[in-house]
Amino acid sequence: GNSVTQMEGPVTLSEEAFLTINCTYTATGYPSLFWYVQYPGEGLQLLLKATKADDKGSNKGFEATYRKETTSFHLEKGSVQVSDSAVYFCALSDPNFNKFYFGSGTKLNVKP
Amino acid sequence: DAGVTQSPTHLIKTRGQQVTLRCSPKSGHDTVSWYQQALGQGPQFIFQYYEEEERQRGNFPDRFSGHQFPNYSSELNVNALLLGDSALYLCASSETGLSGNTIYFGEGSWLTVV
Repeated sequence: GNSVTQMEGPVTLSEEAFLTINCTYTATGYPSLFWYVQYPGEGLQLLLKATKADDKGSNKGFEATYRKETTSFHLEKGSVQVSDSAVYFCALSDPNFNKFYFGSGTKLNVKP
Repeated sequence: DAGVTQSPTHLIKTRGQQVTLRCSPKSGHDTVSWYQQALGQGPQFIFQYYEEEERQRGNFPDRFSGHQFPNYSSELNVNALLLGDSALYLCASSETGLSGNTIYFGEGSWLTVV
């Protein structure tokens, strides 16, 4: 079946620190992979996506590479800001029906 | 261009009651999916509607039902509410439901069952 596992939080970093949030997946077929971000009291916003192996998604300084050999899609950012504080969700989409499977989320706290 | 809109934003219901949540998809989108997000958890897929029919269903009981209208808007109905149904209900829309298409979420409807 399909599932996503991501590192538990919270992750607490100082401003300008390097961020890595680990995400691994199990899937049948060839899913697309996504990172969504959720700010307090809001819905989910797409952060980045990758649709095939070795693709790199990037947005707002965040990056993630679709690694089929390790079934991973780790999120990275070189220098985090206080405004990056949010909950980050890794997700995959079923190749047939665009049904999404989400990880449990990782809360990021960035301190000034 | 309006994104995905949901109503109501917050509501409180009593156990055993019924609730209807509404969703208007992003312009140009014809596929609507509903997700339940319990506190501290990731969203869980409830079902997906395309061409006014339920196309996929997650592991939710029949108390959860839905509908899609000709203008692609959708409703989620939950009957015989339980305390455990308290959650954020998210509507997401996409084009044609094909794999790889990004889904766009609304702000959600916060349901509290007391």
